[in-house]
Amino acid sequence: EFVLTQSPATLSLSPGERATLSCRAGQTVSRQYLAWYQQKPGQTPRLLIHSVSSRAAGIPDRFSGGGSGTDFTLTISRLEPEDSAIYYCQQFENFQWTFGQGTKVEI
Amino acid sequence: QLQLQESGPGLVKPSETLSLTCSVSGDSISQSDFFWSWIRQPPGKGLEWIGSIHYTGDTYYNPSLKSRVTMSVDTSKNQFSLKVNSVTAADTALFYCARIDRRLFDPFDVWGQGTLVTVSP
Repeated sequence: EFVLTQSPATLSLSPGERATLSCRAGQTVSRQYLAWYQQKPGQTPRLLIHSVSSRAAGIPDRFSGGGSGTDFTLTISRLEPEDSAIYYCQQFENFQWTFGQGTKVEI
Repeated sequence: QLQLQESGPGLVKPSETLSLTCSVSGDSISQSDFFWSWIRQPPGKGLEWIGSIHYTGDTYYNPSLKSRVTMSVDTSKNQFSLKVNSVTAADTALFYCARIDRRLFDPFDVWGQGTLVTVSP
């Protein structure tokens, strides 16, 4: 079973600060099969980043993704109040899709 | 613009079968670059992938649910469906349908609004 572990569980920061969210895989993620999602309270998840580091359509450039192997990060360079949300990483391996447990960002 | 819309009963009794349908509008479901998926989210908890189906009928399920889950696709109606049998209270969740774009290394790029299913007598 593929496991993704996100840390920290909760991140409390101020507007304008930088947020760094971690996603660690229990085994090497194949190629670029790593994505990030944002879910605001009461809303549907929204794709932010696909292919490890590519922003989805309409996503501001303050969101960036990186990493390789088993360690990946989502960085929000200048936090805005509307970035308060839960962020999930997700991977694909052998026709199985797995989500991390999420990191809550409080601003 | 592609849109996905879930439909089905909001209340299911324990031990019965949960049945949901996702209607796809704005594009054809019959394209090789996409999978069509179900994801659930119990109240206050995280996201769990249930399964995915290709328009050809190829299916892939979460091993933890595989024994109780069946997905199907109806290309003539541009819909795909989910059945979960022998449900318990632990199956109470917000159920989303979503599209996977294989060209982008398989993320869920378009989501429905979700439908809440409660398992209760």
